[in-house]
Amino acid sequence: EVQLLESGGGLVQPGGSLRLSCTASGFTFSSYAMSWVRQAPGKGLEWVSLISGGGSNKYYADSVKGRFTISRDNSKNTLYLQVNSLRAEDMAIYYCATGKVGTTTHNWFDPWGQGTLVTVSS
Amino acid sequence: DIQMTQSPSSVSASVGDRVTITCRASQSISTWLAWYQQKPGKAPKLLIFAASSLQSGVPSRFSGSGSGTDFTLTISSLQPEDFATYYCQQANSFPLTFGGGTKVEIK
Repeated sequence: EVQLLESGGGLVQPGGSLRLSCTASGFTFSSYAMSWVRQAPGKGLEWVSLISGGGSNKYYADSVKGRFTISRDNSKNTLYLQVNSLRAEDMAIYYCATGKVGTTTHNWFDPWGQGTLVTVSS
Repeated sequence: DIQMTQSPSSVSASVGDRVTITCRASQSISTWLAWYQQKPGKAPKLLIFAASSLQSGVPSRFSGSGSGTDFTLTISSLQPEDFATYYCQQANSFPLTFGGGTKVEIK
């Protein structure tokens, strides 16, 4: 069974940092592009970042470029999102999601993890 | 960036009704479009990819159509478990973008 389990969310002050993790099981993790998608409370979905299976190609939404860094450790079947310089508008549930095999182009996502909540407040 | 506009933002319908949701892209995206269903407190679930391909395990009452800039998700006979919010997503180019969502509510 394919499973994605996020962790690392929590309460952080504006300007603070967190590292989110997503541990995968049940599939050949290194073959798949992976993404982070977030959802602010009561709002819609916003794509944040995507990384290729090997980790060499990375893409970001303009709203997080320069502040967030996506990475992966295929030996640990784990996806990461380092989130720095957090702002109130970054407060959201952060989902990891599985993209396509072997390509970063034309990605849609299935399955998704259950999400981890990042709260930004002083 | 490609903007995705969904309509309506909400719809009230009864069990057994046919429901149609539309998604319009600000520029042509060929058939690089996906549809998701999200229930309260849950992660999104992929329903349709490549505009009209049904994801494995998704009931056949869900269907998608369209190409270019205009797309449609249709639920042919609404079931109680279908009350949820639906999102479209363009996969044509980065940044990937989602529509604002359509909430399907019980009439």
